[in-house]
Amino acid sequence: QSALTQPRSVSGSPGQSVTISCTGTSNDVGGYNYVSWYQQHPDKAPKLMIYDVNKRPSGVPDRFSGSKSGNTASLTISGLQADDEADYYCCSYGGSSLYVFGTGTKVTVL
Amino acid sequence: QVQLVQSGAEVRKPGASVNVSCKASGHTFTNYYVHWVRQAPGQGLEWMGAINPNGGSTSYAQKFQGRVTMTRDTSTSTVYMELSSLRSEDTAVYYCARDYISSFDPWGQGTVVTVS
Repeated sequence: QSALTQPRSVSGSPGQSVTISCTGTSNDVGGYNYVSWYQQHPDKAPKLMIYDVNKRPSGVPDRFSGSKSGNTASLTISGLQADDEADYYCCSYGGSSLYVFGTGTKVTVL
Repeated sequence: QVQLVQSGAEVRKPGASVNVSCKASGHTFTNYYVHWVRQAPGQGLEWMGAINPNGGSTSYAQKFQGRVTMTRDTSTSTVYMELSSLRSEDTAVYYCARDYISSFDPWGQGTVVTVS
């Protein structure tokens, strides 16, 4: 399975919104509602931010939201804050008990 | 709280094998799959495979088929990931993570494996 495609970087000013896309195929993103998103700060383990396309685990601010259309999933961060500056990865179930990650996106808060 | 604690850093020569452990606590061990994900220096996350602690069945990414073996010990709530025939490209941080509704949460702290 090939990695899902994400933009290399996105940026925004504090308070603004940014959206990260995650493009796969009908065999992964488009075929299942099992897309998740992870935030990773430097030298830290990833943290789950969104699961099942648009659900937030307890403790994740509602500034983070997820959606999906066809073979592309998206993560939107509203009201951008300094601590949101990190790498973000999408992940999708790909059938047959297999998973695939996205290429990763660096979010910069200007 | 749910916690995964991994073994310490390892250094191996090319061609050798490495075995990384991941000890779970705070939940019923046999109720949740455990996944392994690695991250090479400066690179992205890569899903390697998963094990069902209830029975020990496994699924591996095609890239690692034949080189990776995941096992578990229910008496100690520990899962193991062995990677063989190591090469320099296997230098990475290896993470275990509990399955959470087809996502991964929480994650272990990571284990650095250096092949040199």
